[in-house]
Amino acid sequence: SQQGEEDPQALSIQEGENATMNCSYKTSINNLQWYRQNSGRGLVHLILIRSNEREKHSGRLRVTLDTSKKSSSLLITASRAADTASYFCATDRGGTSYGKLTFGQGTILTVHP
Amino acid sequence: ETGVTQTPRHLVMGMTNKKSLKCEQHLGHNAMYWYKQSAKKPLELMFVYNFKEQTENNSVPSRFSPECPNSSHLFLHLHTLQPEDSALYLCASGGGGNYGYTFGSGTRLTVV
Repeated sequence: SQQGEEDPQALSIQEGENATMNCSYKTSINNLQWYRQNSGRGLVHLILIRSNEREKHSGRLRVTLDTSKKSSSLLITASRAADTASYFCATDRGGTSYGKLTFGQGTILTVHP
Repeated sequence: ETGVTQTPRHLVMGMTNKKSLKCEQHLGHNAMYWYKQSAKKPLELMFVYNFKEQTENNSVPSRFSPECPNSSHLFLHLHTLQPEDSALYLCASGGGGNYGYTFGSGTRLTVV
């Protein structure tokens, strides 16, 4: 079964608007991470939220985690054209699966100048 | 640069060729990973090495052979690949705990 499914698959907004992406997962987790990927390049770690945390901020990023619903959201405020990229959530289940990330299929974000 | 360097950036190989992908990190991380990213599919974990020891082989075909000579270097040896093996191969390293992982820029592999 797929762990970490993002919604929507694609999001198109204007510069200055906020972008919200959602992620759902199926099993218990140790932490959930968000990554950005620019067109066919490597992934860049954005933010990590632990299973006992509910909200976390980093610059223009805000992540929430609801373990009862097995879901997370990533909010990018005041978006810029440079935020155009694919965004992935990844879950780390811990235990014997420690360090083995399971990724979703990602949300493609396009920010128009 | 992220601290994880992958070479080559692009590779085209025939199905009978043998080639190797290289990954190098000097971040002091103890774990290194190979991921495969195919079009329209989620990233798939292939191999995990912890302290140079392979701790995970995610049912990867034997035509992919990893090697980790030390905690800073990771190789993926390729032989007799199939066209469906064409993908972006990403290396990552991680220090463990509740920290994120650092990815390289990847090798875009095309099998012809």
